[in-house]
Amino acid sequence: QVQLVESGGGVVQPGRSLRLSCAASGFTFSSYALHWVRQAPGKGLEWVAVISYDERYKYYADSVRGRFTLSRDNSRNMVYVEMNSLRPEDTAIYYCAKERIRATFGVVNDAFDIWGQGTMVTVSS
Amino acid sequence: QSALTQPASVSGSPGQSITISCTGTSSDVGSYNLVSWYQQHPGKAPKLIIYEVSKRPSGISNRFSGSKSGNMASLTISGLQAEDEADYYCCSYAGSSIWVFGGGTKVTVL
Repeated sequence: QVQLVESGGGVVQPGRSLRLSCAASGFTFSSYALHWVRQAPGKGLEWVAVISYDERYKYYADSVRGRFTLSRDNSRNMVYVEMNSLRPEDTAIYYCAKERIRATFGVVNDAFDIWGQGTMVTVSS
Repeated sequence: QSALTQPASVSGSPGQSITISCTGTSSDVGSYNLVSWYQQHPGKAPKLIIYEVSKRPSGISNRFSGSKSGNMASLTISGLQAEDEADYYCCSYAGSSIWVFGGGTKVTVL
């Protein structure tokens, strides 16, 4: 079935880096944009970033732009987020989510129809 | 990228209807028919229940309906059931491939 599985979370000190991964299965991965959405403990959802199906386009929330970098490997059905200069306020569950509509160009903006189970990132000294 | 405004909580008795509002601006909700709603049970990942303002994905009960007027979107749950108790989040496209979520609404079934 269609599935996303995140990994790579953990405890990291402020200022350090961490890379999260998202493994996809059950759909034509190379045809869909993938998003990252995070949720701080006890708080609401926050959209973080999106990468287009062909990795050509990447867009970031103001809160992470310049610190987070998205990439993907369509041969392995994987998407990654490299998080640098981490701050305590980056502490959250990080979800990857699939764009609902298949893309033929750029990022087709519609909705997030499949979500992973999330991976927890804790930034603390 | 300010968050959309939702009421913190809404409650209702089984069988009743409730409506959750989601207020944005002319730069997000008011400009695009790309409002979606997500249901999240405790400890679980969010689940898409409404997309493009009022469309339901396959498998989602027709008790869930969405609408929009101006800068405000709404989610209505009719025939409230115990399993509907969860957090609900609205989300809107804000241009330039940027998205903004609401703060979330906790629905309690009395």
